[in-house]
Amino acid sequence: KAGVTQTPRYLIKTRGQQVTLSCSPISGHRSVSWYQQTPGQGLQFLFEYFSETQRNKGNFPGRFSGRQFSNSRSEMNVSTLELGDSALYLCASSLGVRSDTQYFGPGTRLTVL
Amino acid sequence: EDQVTQSPEALRLQEGESSSLNCSYTVSGLRGLFWYRQDPGKGPEFLFTLYSAGEEKEKERLKATLTKKESFLHITAPKPEDSATYLCAVQGGDYKLSFGAGTTVTVRA
Repeated sequence: KAGVTQTPRYLIKTRGQQVTLSCSPISGHRSVSWYQQTPGQGLQFLFEYFSETQRNKGNFPGRFSGRQFSNSRSEMNVSTLELGDSALYLCASSLGVRSDTQYFGPGTRLTVL
Repeated sequence: EDQVTQSPEALRLQEGESSSLNCSYTVSGLRGLFWYRQDPGKGPEFLFTLYSAGEEKEKERLKATLTKKESFLHITAPKPEDSATYLCAVQGGDYKLSFGAGTTVTVRA
């Protein structure tokens, strides 16, 4: 069974630009969560989508947004990029039961110059 | 707010030298505690889920245990391929996952 896939794997942007990251969950998984990982803050929860609806949200500014499509694939968007947005962005999928185990993708490394 | 503290931050072991990693937590209504392994430049790889105090799970050289305040990940007779960062996460009443900073384990041959 294929794992969680994320595209692109690496991205370089400049301040003020916007970026869209994509995530394809494991087949049959209906929940997708997004995380930001930095050396200083560790892994932090961004948001979770289930059946095309945002089911949970972390403490990030409104510049961070996401959506989920009917095939469970998800995208996250960051607008007006700041230097501090440089991070590894991880996507995780689960079946959808709320205490289910989440399986992570390889991440997208975003560098903001 | 849920909090997870992992110790030590780093652990250097000789091959075959068993040790334990600690994950202490404060959470309102624990729904699950998760252990992941992360190699450099990769996403976390799932190891174990524990749901209630007293529960134990094993996989090869790894064993995870859970009490009401902390979890331990025991590494028995580690090999160099066990070198990685081990992450602990808790899921509380709001169903969000809160991660600890991780313990970086280095196993020397």
